[in-house]
Amino acid sequence: KQEVTQIPAALSVPEGENLVLNCSFTDSAIYNLQWFRQDPGKGLTSLLLIQSSQREQTSGRLNASLDKSSGRSTLYIAASQPGDSATYLCAVNDYKLSFGAGTTVTVRA
Amino acid sequence: GAGVSQTPSNKVTEKGKYVELRCDPISGHTALYWYRQSLGQGPEFLIYFQGTGAADDSGLPNDRFFAVRPEGSVSTLKIQRTERGDSAVYLCASSPTLGGISDTQYFGPGTRLTVL
Repeated sequence: KQEVTQIPAALSVPEGENLVLNCSFTDSAIYNLQWFRQDPGKGLTSLLLIQSSQREQTSGRLNASLDKSSGRSTLYIAASQPGDSATYLCAVNDYKLSFGAGTTVTVRA
Repeated sequence: GAGVSQTPSNKVTEKGKYVELRCDPISGHTALYWYRQSLGQGPEFLIYFQGTGAADDSGLPNDRFFAVRPEGSVSTLKIQRTERGDSAVYLCASSPTLGGISDTQYFGPGTRLTVL
C-alpha cells in the first residue's frame, strides 16, 4: 500500500521568505505526482502535476521537483505572501490518488 | 457548469439513518472518483468509476457504503445505517480518462457529513 508523508506538518514564516515543503512516498510505481492547495472549508485546487518521467515543473512562483527513485518531491514557493496561507497536500497517482496529511502554512504579514 | 459540483454542501443526519451524496462531474470526463477526508487528514480513496462501472471499490470501508453511476455521468454515494465515525467531508473528482499520466483530477467542493 502506498504511504505518503509530508514534513513539516505546519510552518509559519514572515512574508517574503521562501517556503520548502517536503513529500515522500513508498512505492515509485506512479503515473504522476500532484500538489494541491486547500483553503479552510474548501475543496482542493490543483497547483502542479509532475509526470513520472519529469524531474520538475514550474508555475509562476511555484516549483516542484520529483525524484521518483528516492520517493521524494519538494514544493518550493518563492517570495511568500499572506495569500499563500493554506494547507498544501501532495498526492501520488497510480490511477487513484494517495494523499499525505498536508502541511499547513501561515505567512505572517 | 465548468467544474465538479456536489450536493448537498452540508448534511446533518442522525445515527442509523440513510444518506445520499451527489456528484456532477465535468462534462465529458469519463473517470469519476470518491474520496473521504477526516479532520486533519488528507483525503482517502473510496471508489472510482470508468464510465458506468465501478473499476475499483477497494476503498469503501464496509458494505454500508455503495456508489452508482448509472448513465456514466452523475454519481451518487449511498451510506446506510450511518454511524458517528462516518462524519467527514466527502470529495468527488473527475478526470478526462482513467490513469492518464498527465491527467489532473479536478475536485468538487465536497459534502460535509455530520452524523449525530
